[in-house]
Amino acid sequence: QKEVEQDPGPLSVPEGAIVSLNCTYSNSAFQYFMWYRQYSRKGPELLMYTYSSGNKEDGRFTAQVDKSSKYISLFIRDSQPSDSATYLCAMIGSNYQLIWGAGTKLIIKP
Amino acid sequence: NAGVTQTPKFQVLKTGQSMTLQCAQDMNHNSMYWYRQDPGMGLRLIYYSASEGTTDKGEVPNGYNVSRLNKREFSLRLESAAPSQTSVYFCASSQGGTDTQYFGPGTRLTVL
Repeated sequence: QKEVEQDPGPLSVPEGAIVSLNCTYSNSAFQYFMWYRQYSRKGPELLMYTYSSGNKEDGRFTAQVDKSSKYISLFIRDSQPSDSATYLCAMIGSNYQLIWGAGTKLIIKP
Repeated sequence: NAGVTQTPKFQVLKTGQSMTLQCAQDMNHNSMYWYRQDPGMGLRLIYYSASEGTTDKGEVPNGYNVSRLNKREFSLRLESAAPSQTSVYFCASSQGGTDTQYFGPGTRLTVL
């Protein structure tokens, strides 16, 4: 079993919809959680960074962490075609190494 | 600020050939990383350098070597390429610890 599980998709939604992307993890020691966005043929770029449980909002993006369920989510409001990308979750494990989900491919249809 | 740069962008090798992937960062970061990304596998850490003068193995180090040339540069070498090393390789850098990692544009490597 992988330490971080993420549905690879693709997830296809119409423009303007609310998108929910999720990851589950098995190691209760994880404290730092990240969402990276990766456009096709580009490197990942940090989108959201949260510590411990709770919500963090940045514009149309909200990151949510539920440590009791070992579950993290990224919500995108008013989704745009420019949001079409692969979204990777990551968590900091031992020796400060990042443990990655496989990524979810998101397609926003105009 | 260029951030993290990688060369080459693309490379095709024959089995058994060697090559070095170059990475440089201009953010004065202490730590640098090499990852490979394969379909359905996410990013896997090959080697990292927590600070200048140190290197450590990651999750998938076999078949690779690294050199932290100075604070700016971190190279990845394939001594005898194998088809299983066909992948996209990303270099990243950070200040270290829990700091954000910043990624380069990647090198697409095909081994025939």
